[in-house]
Amino acid sequence: GESVGLHLPTLSVQEGDNSIINCAYSNSASDYFIWYKQESGKGPQFIIDIRSNMDKRQGQRVTVLLNKTVKHLSLQIAATQPGDSAVYFCAEGDAYGNNRLAFGKGNQVVVIP
Amino acid sequence: GAGVSQSPSNKVTEKGKDVELRCDPISGHTALYWYRQSLGQGLEFLIYFQGNSAPDKSGLPSDRFSAERTGGSVSTLTIQRTQQEDSAVYLCASSPGQNSYSNQPQHFGDGTRLSIL
Repeated sequence: GESVGLHLPTLSVQEGDNSIINCAYSNSASDYFIWYKQESGKGPQFIIDIRSNMDKRQGQRVTVLLNKTVKHLSLQIAATQPGDSAVYFCAEGDAYGNNRLAFGKGNQVVVIP
Repeated sequence: GAGVSQSPSNKVTEKGKDVELRCDPISGHTALYWYRQSLGQGLEFLIYFQGNSAPDKSGLPSDRFSAERTGGSVSTLTIQRTQQEDSAVYLCASSPGQNSYSNQPQHFGDGTRLSIL
């Protein structure tokens, strides 16, 4: 769901389980998508990106899925660890350089030990 | 290696004062971006520099905001006559630069937390 004011959508997940974070983007012309992780007091940290000519991309313990038909992006984290607790942002940009990223409002992930 | 460095990390000032925020991008990165993040919100684009090209200032919220990038490296974001609604975290990011159909992730500093009293 959408965040309202200070209340971010929150996903609570048991340590060791898989996490799925969803993001709906708005601009059908966007060709580049990126996920960031932000811990308290820190700047956003790059996780993984994907271009519109792909449906899926895998990294270390993370997978990004892109469904252009419904303008939906998801981030899957395998075997979630306590260090994965953070706010996760998706962002979209255009194909010819990412000079202006449009960020979503973020999803809070809380890992329960 | 060294990442994006921002200073100061925290700034508290009185309403009406001017403030300057500094960003040192990753060495060799030609693209530099400023964003603003209000409490519990996503990032709002402010301004973008690419090499020697004219900056994209389309995200600046008012003419009280300006930014410079001297020598293609360090950037300064200036807010004149600060207002309470300017309170936010100001984040700087850099990336290697534009290439035809080559998107590169932006790498962020830890921001300057600005509080206007």
